Amino acid sequence: RKEVEQDPGPFNVPEGATVAFNCTYSNSASQSFFWYRQDCRKEPKLLMSVYSSGNEDGRFTAQLNRASQYISLLIRDSKLSDSATYLCVVNMGQTGANNLFFGTGTRLTVIP
Amino acid sequence: DTEVTQTPKHLVMGMTNKKSLKCEQHMGHRAMYWYKQKAKKPPELMFVYSYEKLSINESVPSRFSPECPNSSLLNLHLHALQPEDSALYLCASSRPGLANEQFFGPGTRLTVL
Repeated sequence: RKEVEQDPGPFNVPEGATVAFNCTYSNSASQSFFWYRQDCRKEPKLLMSVYSSGNEDGRFTAQLNRASQYISLLIRDSKLSDSATYLCVVNMGQTGANNLFFGTGTRLTVIP
Repeated sequence: DTEVTQTPKHLVMGMTNKKSLKCEQHMGHRAMYWYKQKAKKPPELMFVYSYEKLSINESVPSRFSPECPNSSLLNLHLHALQPEDSALYLCASSRPGLANEQFFGPGTRLTVL
């Protein structure tokens, strides 16, 4: 079983749509969780950290369910510029340095 | 300065060459990382340095040799690589601690002929 599993997509949605990505992780002791965005041939960039209480940043909402070991990302009112690969990332590291495990990524294309 | 820089951006090398990739950050981060990313795959962790000491080596072949000369710099020395080592090599840094996000450099795209 992979440490972090995501639906690879692709998701093709029209502008203005709401889209949700899901992710599960295997290590129940994992402490921190992130969504990164990666554009083609570019480096991953942090989109948002994911907190137990859920958090929102503009059109983006992240949720964490520790009991189910499940993370989600909701994008409302999709823009063309949201087209990218979204990586679910779980930190399973020890103190002193963190060891990120990446999901395979979910490819999103927003269509005009 | 919230940037991680990497040089060179692109590198083409033969299997007998020796080359080095360089990474620099001035955010005061004391943890630095090397990742390898193949096309359409997520980044794979290679090495982690914490407070300038190698703390994780993910069973990487010895033809890859990391070095952390100081808290701002991270090098990856390459020798006798194989064509399958062609990939995007990403450097990242973070504050030590489990909750701290990693910031990635733009990567070096390596081609081994």
